[in-house]
Amino acid sequence: GNSVTQMEGPVTLSEEAFLTINCTYTATGYPSLFWYVQYPGEGLQLLLKATKADDKGSNKGFEATYRKETTSFHLEKGSVQVSDSAVYFCALSDERGLDSSYKLIFGSGTRLLVRP
Amino acid sequence: DAGITQSPRHKVTETGTPVTLRCHQTENHRYMYWYRQDPGHGLRLIHYSYGVKDTDKGEVSDGYSVSRSKTEDFLLTLESATSSQTSVYFCAIRDSLGHGANVLTFGAGSRLTVL
Repeated sequence: GNSVTQMEGPVTLSEEAFLTINCTYTATGYPSLFWYVQYPGEGLQLLLKATKADDKGSNKGFEATYRKETTSFHLEKGSVQVSDSAVYFCALSDERGLDSSYKLIFGSGTRLLVRP
Repeated sequence: DAGITQSPRHKVTETGTPVTLRCHQTENHRYMYWYRQDPGHGLRLIHYSYGVKDTDKGEVSDGYSVSRSKTEDFLLTLESATSSQTSVYFCAIRDSLGHGANVLTFGAGSRLTVL
């Protein structure tokens, strides 16, 4: 079945460092891909998305490119801030051809800690 | 604010007792979801609904039931809670139209502890 694999955390970086969080997926068909972020004590928020191969999603300095040839959707940011400390979830859509069966499948999450 | 409220936000209960979590939305969205979040597992889908009285199972539905008698409310019930159901539960909603058609919007979560 469809699945998402993320790199295990925690990832600890100094402020202004470059960030990469790896995400690979297994899917049939042509899913959409997402990154969600969860700040402490809160629910998940959509960070960015891409709906087809070679699309690049971007938001708040974060970017991810939908790579069908490598089945990957790695999250990157050029210069992280302390306020980026959170848990990041990669997810894919699972539609099975019917809108009524649409759901998201999530990876296990990667905790990011940015030190001043 | 997407207009999605979960209650209660925190609950401690004992093994064998029934528990109901409520998700309320003011967006009139057709689709609603219940996920649980556990360390090392990310979010896993319990049940979802694609309309009033229309529900289906997710990957971890055993021990849970749901009901949706009106568009705005989606209830998750644990008939007899077990310690393995200690978790954080998230409700999500989805519109079926426009740019947000494939995006889930999440509530703040309900932390359940079963002793």
